[in-house]
Amino acid sequence: AQTVTQSQPEMSVQEAETVTLSCTYDTSENNYYLFWYKQPPSRQMILVIRQEAYKQQNATENRFSVNFQKAAKSFSLKISDSQLGDTAMYFCAFMKRRSNYGQNFVFGPGTRLSVLP
Amino acid sequence: DAGVTQSPTHLIKTRGQQVTLRCSPKSGHDTVSWYQQALGQGPQFIFQYYEEEERQRGNFPDRFSGHQFPNYSSELNVNALLLGDSALYLCASSLAIQGVQETQYFGPGTRLLVL
Repeated sequence: AQTVTQSQPEMSVQEAETVTLSCTYDTSENNYYLFWYKQPPSRQMILVIRQEAYKQQNATENRFSVNFQKAAKSFSLKISDSQLGDTAMYFCAFMKRRSNYGQNFVFGPGTRLSVLP
Repeated sequence: DAGVTQSPTHLIKTRGQQVTLRCSPKSGHDTVSWYQQALGQGPQFIFQYYEEEERQRGNFPDRFSGHQFPNYSSELNVNALLLGDSALYLCASSLAIQGVQETQYFGPGTRLLVL
């Protein structure tokens, strides 16, 4: 079974600064996806960024980037130029990439990020 | 392009009752997954439907059942409600390409309170 760990229950950052959220996972799979989702107080889960395990290049989406270390099973999220709207719960998630019509996400417990003015 | 929609947004039930939650997937998606998110925790996988069949199930009792309709929309049914079933229920949709699920997109959720 896969497990996802987020060791930082809460973090805070000043507006315009950079923050890194940590995520580690455990799996015996070789082919999988990793995701970061954001859940603001409004509760809608929003996709932030996606990484395919077979790609060595780290994914980036505007101010969001990841540091994917496959051997270490580490997948951290870096938010640059933090904005007040980045305040949310951030969930790291793992999904096996298998052709069997039955896959699901395994989520970490989340990190509550507060961006301070 | 309509995203994932869920109804109702909030629901209050009493112990022992039954509840049905509904989900319409994002346009073009054919797979629906359901998750339970207790307060302050990450979502837990309940089950996934594709081609109107349950394809995978998480560690949830048989009181939790579902259905997928030909238009890909889905229902989650919970029987004999317990206080511990109080949670946010999230629906996620995705597109299966040669059997492999692509990224899941989530709906706004249904908040269920069991008294």
